[in-house]
Amino acid sequence: KAGVTQTPRYLIKTRGQQVTLSCSPISGHRSVSWYQQTPGQGLQFLFEYFSETQRNKGNFPGRFSGRQFSNSRSEMNVSTLELGDSALYLCASSLGTSGGQQYFGPGTRLTVT
Amino acid sequence: QKEVEQDPGPLSVPEGAIVSLNCTYSNSAFQYFMWYRQYSRKGPELLMYTYSSGNKEDGRFTAQVDKSSKYISLFIRDSQPSDSATYLCAMSINTGNQFYFGTGTSLTVIP
Repeated sequence: KAGVTQTPRYLIKTRGQQVTLSCSPISGHRSVSWYQQTPGQGLQFLFEYFSETQRNKGNFPGRFSGRQFSNSRSEMNVSTLELGDSALYLCASSLGTSGGQQYFGPGTRLTVT
Repeated sequence: QKEVEQDPGPLSVPEGAIVSLNCTYSNSAFQYFMWYRQYSRKGPELLMYTYSSGNKEDGRFTAQVDKSSKYISLFIRDSQPSDSATYLCAMSINTGNQFYFGTGTSLTVIP
């Protein structure tokens, strides 16, 4: 079974631009969660989508948004990029049921200059 | 206070040593406990998954959960240089699907 895929793997943007990241979950998984990982803060939860609806949300500003399509693929958008948005963005997929095991993709490394 | 606390290390051990990694947590509603291994510049890989209290063994890895103390551990026996990575603990409550992560412990196994 294919794992979680994320595109692109690397991205360089300048301040003020916007960016869209994509995540394809494991086949049959209906939940996709997004995380931001930085050396100082570790893994921070952005949001979770389940059956095209945002089900959980972390404490990030409204510049961070996402969506999920009917095939469970998900996109994350960051508008008006700031230098502090430089991070590894990880998506994780799961069945979406309570206690379901979560599997991560390789991440997209975003650098904002 | 963070929901999940994990000593960041770094931890350095000789090959063959037994490694003990730990996390503490504050939310007694956590029921599901996981350990992930993350190599440099890669996504986290699920290593161990445990429901409620008790022990679970998988090869050289043993996960322990002590809910009364709000404390979880991962033991690695006969550690290998290939075990050098960052280890993240994670947990979730018994409803919903939100996961809470520790900040990770960096482990180096010296040949």
